[in-house]
Amino acid sequence: KNEVEQSPQNLTAQEGEFITINCSYSVGISALHWLQQHPGGGIVSLFMLSSGKKKHGRLIATINIQEKHSSLHITASHPRDSAVYICAVLQETSGSRLTFGEGTQLTVNP
Amino acid sequence: DARVTQTPRHKVTEMGQEVTMRCQPILGHNTVFWYRQTMMQGLELLAYFRNRAPLDDSGMPKDRFSAEMPDATLATLKIQPSEPRDSAVYFCASGLVLPRTGRLQPQHFGDGTRLSIL
Repeated sequence: KNEVEQSPQNLTAQEGEFITINCSYSVGISALHWLQQHPGGGIVSLFMLSSGKKKHGRLIATINIQEKHSSLHITASHPRDSAVYICAVLQETSGSRLTFGEGTQLTVNP
Repeated sequence: DARVTQTPRHKVTEMGQEVTMRCQPILGHNTVFWYRQTMMQGLELLAYFRNRAPLDDSGMPKDRFSAEMPDATLATLKIQPSEPRDSAVYFCASGLVLPRTGRLQPQHFGDGTRLSIL
């Protein structure tokens, strides 16, 4: 069992739909990251959070430390949101080493 | 916007050849990471540096891989000799660890080097 698991692996949505991607982890963490990898390969850090909720534009990330679970939500999805979304955790005992989930491939159709 | 710059963007070479990948981190960032991404393994950390000193290279095959930071503006990842199983996209990322809290701020990734070993 991976230390970081994401679901679903693949997600197809229609433009305008509300999207949720889930991340569960089994280790103690000091922070959790959500990354976006564009079709061209570039990786962008979307959020880093250790508690509560963060919002940036149409993106919202939440984390529940007790349940070891985080969600990434996209409101009013758009085809340009099509990308791979990767959850990564910074373990309490790992210094600055990130452990990555396998990613969720999101496709938003017009 | 400041960016992490990686060169080359693409590299195709024959098995056995030496490969050198370079990374210029964002000025002021004190932590530099090397990652490898493959279809089978996803993203995995190879090594990282803090203030140019190697802190963790446990993800790196020691017999053929080496990572260095000759100065604050350059990080290198070398493979010698290269093998077909090294074919992957190699990402460099840099970030800032705040001295007072010791917390790593969000990393900035380069565009990657797509390496193919024939």
